[in-house]
Amino acid sequence: NAGVTQTPKFQVLKTGQSMTLQCAQDMNHNSMYWYRQDPGMGLRLIYYSASEGTTDKGEVPNGYNVSRLNKREFSLRLESAAPSQTSVYFCASSGYQPQHFGDGTRLSIL
Amino acid sequence: GQQVMQIPQYQHVQEGEDFTTYCNSSTTLSNIQWYKQRPGGHPVFLIQLVKSGEVKKQKRLTFQFGEAKKNSSLHITATQTTDVGTYFCAVPSNAGGTSYGKLTFGQGTILTVHP
Repeated sequence: NAGVTQTPKFQVLKTGQSMTLQCAQDMNHNSMYWYRQDPGMGLRLIYYSASEGTTDKGEVPNGYNVSRLNKREFSLRLESAAPSQTSVYFCASSGYQPQHFGDGTRLSIL
Repeated sequence: GQQVMQIPQYQHVQEGEDFTTYCNSSTTLSNIQWYKQRPGGHPVFLIQLVKSGEVKKQKRLTFQFGEAKKNSSLHITATQTTDVGTYFCAVPSNAGGTSYGKLTFGQGTILTVHP
């Protein structure tokens, strides 16, 4: 039982490059979330999806796009990476229970 | 949206000392959750508080929800090195929101335990 799986675990990009962070959950949860975590800032919500087919902006959506591909998968895309997007990214999911988090993606943008 | 302040930002203790972190909101909360994140790890749910004045215990951890449901605390008795990590409170992002939707997290308290 994997829970929430994120890929990749580490990534280094150059400014201006694009990439997609993948997230999949096997708990049949309706809701999925993308957070970024920066020192001293806690966890800030980027985007979330309350159910399959719906997405909505969170606190810090600028520079990101998301796709809820199906009930299991929720991807986060950086179209043109900037150094300010260097962070640890967490995906989470929830149903009628608290949020379960993936192991995170550590992303550095040079 | 909802905002929550968590203090202190850092706490260094000697092993065996007690530790407390606090979360405060300017509005009444429907519930509050607590999460722990070990160094290099991901947040893991600890507990949820719903009722005014509620107190819940997990071994050496005591969680309390204020009478006015605007604040909460997590107290660890006799810390151990295994308690090291960041402790977050989290509240529903929308006033009156459910426990299982969008959350707003506090900034977290980083606990260091010196053996």
